[in-house]
Amino acid sequence: KAGVTQTPRYLIKTRGQQVTLSCSPISGHRSVSWYQQTPGQGLQFLFEYFSETQRNKGNFPGRFSGRQFSNSRSEMNVSTLELGDSALYLCASSYGPGDNSPLHFGNGTRLTVT
Amino acid sequence: QKEVEQNSGPLSVPEGAIASLNCTYSDRGSQSFFWYRQYSGKSPELIMSIYSNGDKEDGRFTAQLNKASQYVSLLIRDSQPSDSATYLCAVPGDTGFQKLVFGTGTRLLVSP
Repeated sequence: KAGVTQTPRYLIKTRGQQVTLSCSPISGHRSVSWYQQTPGQGLQFLFEYFSETQRNKGNFPGRFSGRQFSNSRSEMNVSTLELGDSALYLCASSYGPGDNSPLHFGNGTRLTVT
Repeated sequence: QKEVEQNSGPLSVPEGAIASLNCTYSDRGSQSFFWYRQYSGKSPELIMSIYSNGDKEDGRFTAQLNKASQYVSLLIRDSQPSDSATYLCAVPGDTGFQKLVFGTGTRLLVSP
């Protein structure tokens, strides 16, 4: 079974721009969770989507948003990029609520904001 | 708000020694605990999960859970230089397994 796939692997953007990251879940999984990892704050939960609906949201500003498509693929968008948004963005998938399997992460997208 | 605490390290051990990594958690009701290994520049990889008090062994790795004291440990026997990485402890958040709360991680250095 193929794992979680994230694209692109690397991105360089300029302050003020916006960016869209993509995540394809493991086949059969309907929940997608997004995390941000920075040296200062560690790994932090951004949001979770299930059946095209945002189910949970972390403590991030509204510039961070996401969506999920009917095939369970998910995108996250960051608008008006700031230097502090430079991070590794990780995606994980699961079957959904009630699935108590540990999360397995994709390879991540490394975003650099200059 | 659940919290997970880890010593950031680095923890330095010689090759062949036992590395002991510790994690404490704030929510006494937490039932599940995960250890992830993360190599520099890579994504976290699940290495152990533990759900009940006591020890769980998997190869060179042993996870130990003590719910009364609210700590979980990871022991790595016969440490190898390839074990040098950051080890992250995580618990499910208040809404389930999809929302994990992570510690800041302990950096392990295994010297040849």
